[in-house]
Amino acid sequence: DSGVTQTPKHLITATGQRVTLRCSPRSGDLSVYWYQQSLDQGLQFLIQYYNGEERAKGNILERFSAQQFPDLHSELNLSSLELGDSALYFCASSANTVNTEAFFGQGTRLTVV
Amino acid sequence: AQSVTQLGSHVSVSEGALVLLRCNYSSSVPPYLFWYVQYPNQGLQLLLKYTSAATLVKGINGFEAEFKKSETSFHLTKPSAHMSDAAEYFCAVSDGNQGGKLIFGQGTELSVKP
Repeated sequence: DSGVTQTPKHLITATGQRVTLRCSPRSGDLSVYWYQQSLDQGLQFLIQYYNGEERAKGNILERFSAQQFPDLHSELNLSSLELGDSALYFCASSANTVNTEAFFGQGTRLTVV
Repeated sequence: AQSVTQLGSHVSVSEGALVLLRCNYSSSVPPYLFWYVQYPNQGLQLLLKYTSAATLVKGINGFEAEFKKSETSFHLTKPSAHMSDAAEYFCAVSDGNQGGKLIFGQGTELSVKP
């Protein structure tokens, strides 16, 4: 158990809909990362938050957004969903932003039908 | 920009044989390198990390990796494969200046034959 909790584990939704994925980091970790894992793209970094503020942005679509709340949990919002958004979405957390190892949650498997 | 290349999307070994998974990196600054393992339907678990303290890094489950700057490599090895080692392995690079995000290779699926 990494200490990172993601909910829900599975999500099936229709095209055009909006979903919210939730992540609770390890106790004490200030940094939260979101990654997308798909067969064609592999593991791609989406976005990072540190202590409530956006720290780095990767290949995140404009239809996607995220935030980190004062209690340090984070949410990833995916809207106007397309079939190609079907993937495994991972949240990871680390103590800070300087090369400490990241601990990954079990992921949320999103299926868009 | 940083990048990671894992040579071989699939590696198959016999139980008890040497495991060698290859990783080459590209980085304009001293890299921090990681190996993660992903078992089916699970998240990623850190096997080991290189942060410039020592070039030979020992990790969990008997795995180790050697950082070779001249070859820009960070290959993962294990002397004797177990059936339980069957999983997908990811090499990743991080640049502290960019906040610690990880750039992953495409992954190598390891199969272990009895």
